[in-house]
Amino acid sequence: GAVVSQHPSWVICKSGTSVKIECRSLDFQATTMFWYRQFPKQSLMLMATSNEGSKATYEQGVEKDKFLINHASLTLSTLTVTSAHPEDSSFYICSARGPSGRDTGELFFGEGSRLTVL
Amino acid sequence: AQTVTQSQPEMSVQEAETVTLSCTYDTSESDYYLFWYKQPPSRQMILVIRQEAYKQQNATENRFSVNFQKAAKSFSLKISDSQLGDAAMYFCAYNAGNNRKLIWGLGTSLAVNP
Repeated sequence: GAVVSQHPSWVICKSGTSVKIECRSLDFQATTMFWYRQFPKQSLMLMATSNEGSKATYEQGVEKDKFLINHASLTLSTLTVTSAHPEDSSFYICSARGPSGRDTGELFFGEGSRLTVL
Repeated sequence: AQTVTQSQPEMSVQEAETVTLSCTYDTSESDYYLFWYKQPPSRQMILVIRQEAYKQQNATENRFSVNFQKAAKSFSLKISDSQLGDAAMYFCAYNAGNNRKLIWGLGTSLAVNP
């Protein structure tokens, strides 16, 4: 149980275009999902906390107009990188608290999405 | 503020031998959770082991075990009988529960030599 699926796993886009990444909890309801960004050989950097039915909470320094997050249902959160630029190229990872995660903080992760902006 | 420190950016171990990855943390909370996550080359994060701070017994999962020293705020991961598939980045993480976010260490890259 507690499977999180992320799509696409790999995307290339042209500079100036927008890209949407989906994160789905397949066998549980996730009221809270987290979006991370990871640079090569570095740790995870939390970008925002996505709450179902309400606005996402962004970490300091993360542009909310650039990284649009929508959590419209209990099983789906989306991250849209708007007007992408080469510096947005990175590995983006979503995660969700599992059924027991509300108390423990344990997270279940999607496969990650590699974004390359040309 | 809570912090998690992994002082070993890189480690290596011979196949079938034992290796210990270190993690220390700083918190003023008395009740919290600690995790070790593994990130293999595929980049998918996988939970290795979890420890509840209120439990004195060290958590174990097959070849993986922890040495949890609450007073010293230390949470090391021991991998026994290392296998080639254990090669990965290992991240230590802390959470105080109550819907708070995870605090991550910088990771330790583990190489397993055949």
